[in-house]
Amino acid sequence: EVQLLESGGGLVQPGGSLRLSCAASGFTFSSYAMSWIRQAPGKGLEWVSVISASGDITYYADSVKGRFTMSRDNSKNTFYLQMNSLRAEDTAVYYCAKGEGGSINYYYMDVWGKGTTVTVSS
Amino acid sequence: DTQMTQSPSSLSASVGDRVTITCRASQGISNYLAWYQQKPGKVPKLLIYAASTLQSGVPSRFSGTGSGTDFTLTISSLQPEDVATYYCQKYSIAPLTFGPGTKVAIK
Repeated sequence: EVQLLESGGGLVQPGGSLRLSCAASGFTFSSYAMSWIRQAPGKGLEWVSVISASGDITYYADSVKGRFTMSRDNSKNTFYLQMNSLRAEDTAVYYCAKGEGGSINYYYMDVWGKGTTVTVSS
Repeated sequence: DTQMTQSPSSLSASVGDRVTITCRASQGISNYLAWYQQKPGKVPKLLIYAASTLQSGVPSRFSGTGSGTDFTLTISSLQPEDVATYYCQKYSIAPLTFGPGTKVAIK
């Protein structure tokens, strides 16, 4: 069974940092692009970032560009979101998701994790 | 960047009704359009990709049409378990933008 499990969420002060992890199982992890999507309380879905299967290409939403960094370790079937300079507006549930479609430029999310909550507050 | 809009923002219909949700892209995206369903308190679930291809395991009462800038999601016979918010998303070239969502309720 394909599974994704996020960890690393929590309460952090504005300006602080946090690293989210997403552990994957049940598929050939190194063959797929992976993404982060977030959902602020009571709001809609916002795509955050994507990393290519090999890890050499990343794209980010303008709202997080320069502050967030995605990486992956294909030997551990895990990918990460390093979040720096956090702001109150980054408060959200963060979902990791597997990309399907064959290309980092054309992929949809077919499997989602359960999400991890990030709260940025003093 | 391509913007995605949806209409209506919410709707209420009776069990058995045919329900249609519209999604519009600010520029052409071919058929790189996915639909997701998010039930209250739950994780989003992929319903349709490539504008009209039903994801495995999704009931056949769901269908999608469209290409270019205009897309629709149709529920042919609304069921109580379809109460959810539905999001469209364009998946051609980052950023992958979601629509604002359509909340579907039972009348």
